[in-house]
Amino acid sequence: GAVVSQHPSWVICKSGTSVKIECRSLDFQATTMFWYRQFPKQSLMLMATSNEGSKATYEQGVEKDKFLINHASLTLSTLTVTSAHPEDSSFYICSGVTGKETQYFGPGTRLLVL
Amino acid sequence: EDQVTQSPEALRLQEGESSSLNCSYTVSGLRGLFWYRQDPGKGPEFLFTLYSAGEEKEKERLKATLTKKESFLHITAPKPEDSATYLCAVQAYRGGADGLTFGKGTHLIIQP
Repeated sequence: GAVVSQHPSWVICKSGTSVKIECRSLDFQATTMFWYRQFPKQSLMLMATSNEGSKATYEQGVEKDKFLINHASLTLSTLTVTSAHPEDSSFYICSGVTGKETQYFGPGTRLLVL
Repeated sequence: EDQVTQSPEALRLQEGESSSLNCSYTVSGLRGLFWYRQDPGKGPEFLFTLYSAGEEKEKERLKATLTKKESFLHITAPKPEDSATYLCAVQAYRGGADGLTFGKGTHLIIQP
């Protein structure tokens, strides 16, 4: 199957700082990438859809000025959590779509905001 | 609004004891139903995609089936390494590539 990587795998930051998470498709070109968030014992919740070369589409309730998404190439999308607060602590997971509908997920990034 | 409900929330089986996991869904127009496996602290691993009622897919000890309202993941003679959380997700027809709506998952434990 297609391989997606994320970096970093975990990050700890102070409240008020910004954190950038990278998502790369290693062996396929992803015209669309998705960002999800997963809280403990909860399901994955879609945050935004990222298309290469265009602005991201955010789900209702997700602050686009807080979660900045850039999809600069067919293999790289980044999520920047700006002015992070403890309630932003979560498991962030990206996925990429191949030519078909199947989404392949990265290993996730665990964010802890102190 | 698309909804996915999985049951049971948790399931403990003995090695070799077959069972089924349920995924009930409501969606405005089903484009695809997906099953993933998720190990603790990791991203979901793709298992199956089902597109229409009556469709079945198999992989090793797993078999997924689909009706118009639900999907089942059958596990035959499971082994301890099958222990994981199994996630069901749906994708609706909305044009272009769309995100998935996930259920909360079934946490499966296979005891030796």
